[in-house]
Amino acid sequence: DAGVTQSPTHLIKTRGQQVTLRCSPKSGHDTVSWYQQALGQGPQFIFQYYEEEERQRGNFPDRFSGHQFPNYSSELNVNALLLGDSALYLCASSSGSGQGWDTQYFGPGTRLTVL
Amino acid sequence: QKEVEQNSGPLSVPEGAIASLNCTYSDRGSQSFFWYRQYSGKSPELIMFIYSNGDKEDGRFTAQLNKASQYVSLLIRDSQPSDSATYLCAVIAPARYNTDKLIFGTGTRLQVFP
Repeated sequence: DAGVTQSPTHLIKTRGQQVTLRCSPKSGHDTVSWYQQALGQGPQFIFQYYEEEERQRGNFPDRFSGHQFPNYSSELNVNALLLGDSALYLCASSSGSGQGWDTQYFGPGTRLTVL
Repeated sequence: QKEVEQNSGPLSVPEGAIASLNCTYSDRGSQSFFWYRQYSGKSPELIMFIYSNGDKEDGRFTAQLNKASQYVSLLIRDSQPSDSATYLCAVIAPARYNTDKLIFGTGTRLQVFP
């Protein structure tokens, strides 16, 4: 049973560039959430996708956008990269009732460095 | 007031001792609570979840929940050097938000020394 997978593992970009990160959820899961984790901090919720729609969004600017595909995999896009976007980006999958009971399992993360 | 608060540590305990990690949360409507372990440079790994008041045990780990005091704790018995990691407490936002977003504390760094 495959767990949550993410690609790429590491990425280096320069300011102003755009980046796309990818996530495949755990088998049987239909909901994908994205989190940003800066060094020394807990993960911060970016947004959650369910049934190919954004169900909720955290306090992140519109430069952060996403998509969910019919096979439940998801992409996170970040435009006009800033130095402060350097972080570990985590994808978590769950079987999403959206009612506050679902356990989320994290992928290995993508380490993004913006120079 | 932060939504989820943890002491950043480090919490240092000798091998074989009980490590006690604590977490408080602000929203009384929260109903699901999670502990994740995160090794340096790695992603969070689920250890336990708890929904009801009281204790929940899984091997060397015990989660304790007190909703009246808005307090969650994790006890690690017979601590091993391999338990040295950052422990993240997370709460699911209350159901009225119709989402399962996790709200994390900043984590407590645990060091188990031989």
